[in-house]
Amino acid sequence: GQQVMQIPQYQHVQEGEDFTTYCNSSTTLSNIQWYKQRPGGHPVFLIQLVKSGEVKKQKRLTFQFGEAKKNSSLHITATQTTDVGTYFCAVTNYGGSQGNLIFGKGTKLSVKP
Amino acid sequence: NAGVTQTPKFQVLKTGQSMTLQCAQDMNHEYMSWYRQDPGMGLRLIHYSVGAGITDQGEVPNGYNVSRSTTEDFPLRLLSAAPSQTSVYFCASSYSISDDYEQYFGPGTRLTVT
Repeated sequence: GQQVMQIPQYQHVQEGEDFTTYCNSSTTLSNIQWYKQRPGGHPVFLIQLVKSGEVKKQKRLTFQFGEAKKNSSLHITATQTTDVGTYFCAVTNYGGSQGNLIFGKGTKLSVKP
Repeated sequence: NAGVTQTPKFQVLKTGQSMTLQCAQDMNHEYMSWYRQDPGMGLRLIHYSVGAGITDQGEVPNGYNVSRSTTEDFPLRLLSAAPSQTSVYFCASSYSISDDYEQYFGPGTRLTVT
């Protein structure tokens, strides 16, 4: 079945440093989503990318979808303590519907003030 | 709107016991899913439903049953709990609009099986 590799598994940064997490697939993706989960909380939708080469920004967060639609990245500029949490990418299982998502294992971000 | 609600928030079971995790949404979403989250494993899909009366298996369905009699409710049943089912369970729902895959998650149920 569909698999997506997410790296790194953990990232420790000093407040103000940048952070990037990557998702990679061996197959072409129809779309990719990004979620954030705060410690003890539930995943919260951040964004969805659909088009080849798409770049979307949300304040300090920049999301990119690769030209071949096989990889994606989330970049946070100048991290803050409020960015702490685990960031997941999610893709639709091949031939699947909206309810059938495959999640990456996540990147856990810690920010030292 | 309450969004996606889950009950209970915490549960401790003994091996062999059965229980039902409740999930409800008030957004008239067609799609609903159950995930389990274990340390280092991300979220893994257990079962999902594309509408009332229609369910299908996800990545890790063994030991779990689901049904979808209404659009609003999607309960997850553990017939005979095992320690391997100790996990955090999340229910999620989403629209049926084409190309809109945003999932709305409930707060989760933390289950311990002893």
